[in-house]
Amino acid sequence: DAGITQSPRYKITETGRQVTLMCHQTWSHSYMFWYRQDLGHGLRLIYYSAAADITDKGEVPDGYVVSRSKTENFPLTLESATRSQTSVYFCASSLQGLLTGELFFGEGSRLTVL
Amino acid sequence: GENVEQHPSTLSVQEGDSAVIKCTYSDSASNYFPWYKQELGKGPQLIIDIRSNVGEKKDQRIAVTLNKTAKHFSLHITETQPEDSAVYFCAASRGGKLTFGQGTILTVHP
Repeated sequence: DAGITQSPRYKITETGRQVTLMCHQTWSHSYMFWYRQDLGHGLRLIYYSAAADITDKGEVPDGYVVSRSKTENFPLTLESATRSQTSVYFCASSLQGLLTGELFFGEGSRLTVL
Repeated sequence: GENVEQHPSTLSVQEGDSAVIKCTYSDSASNYFPWYKQELGKGPQLIIDIRSNVGEKKDQRIAVTLNKTAKHFSLHITETQPEDSAVYFCAASRGGKLTFGQGTILTVHP
């Protein structure tokens, strides 16, 4: 039971570079999410997806792009990384969505932008 | 939008003591309140949740209470153990959007 996996777990990049964080889930959950975790801010929603080819903005979407061509994958791309995007990124999935459904989180991807 | 405030930011207790973490929310239409526990190096995991039509819910050593009038909800952990040491997040959901609190670092000393 692989669950939800993120890659890479650690990434160091430079300002202006493009970075893609991968997320893969094996449960066939309809909903997938990307959060960033920063000290003092808790978890903030970047983007979410209710199904393949359906995505929507969360609380902090600027500077990020997502796609969902397959139900099991939900990559997050930083098109031109900035230092303010240094953070720990969590992918999550859910059967029922945000309304009343449990979120299952991956182990996180720690991104450092120099 | 919804705003969730969580206190305290850090909490240190002795093994066997109780721990209480409190959250307030701003949107009276919020109707689902989960609590997540995050261990070091891991993603958060749901430990308990409560819906707005319930005032209290208990699961072994953990319980959550909800006061809709005052717009606050709390997590209670009794008989704490060292393995309870983690970061705890509260959250509130309204209309399909989940807003998290800032997190509480709980340390249980043996």
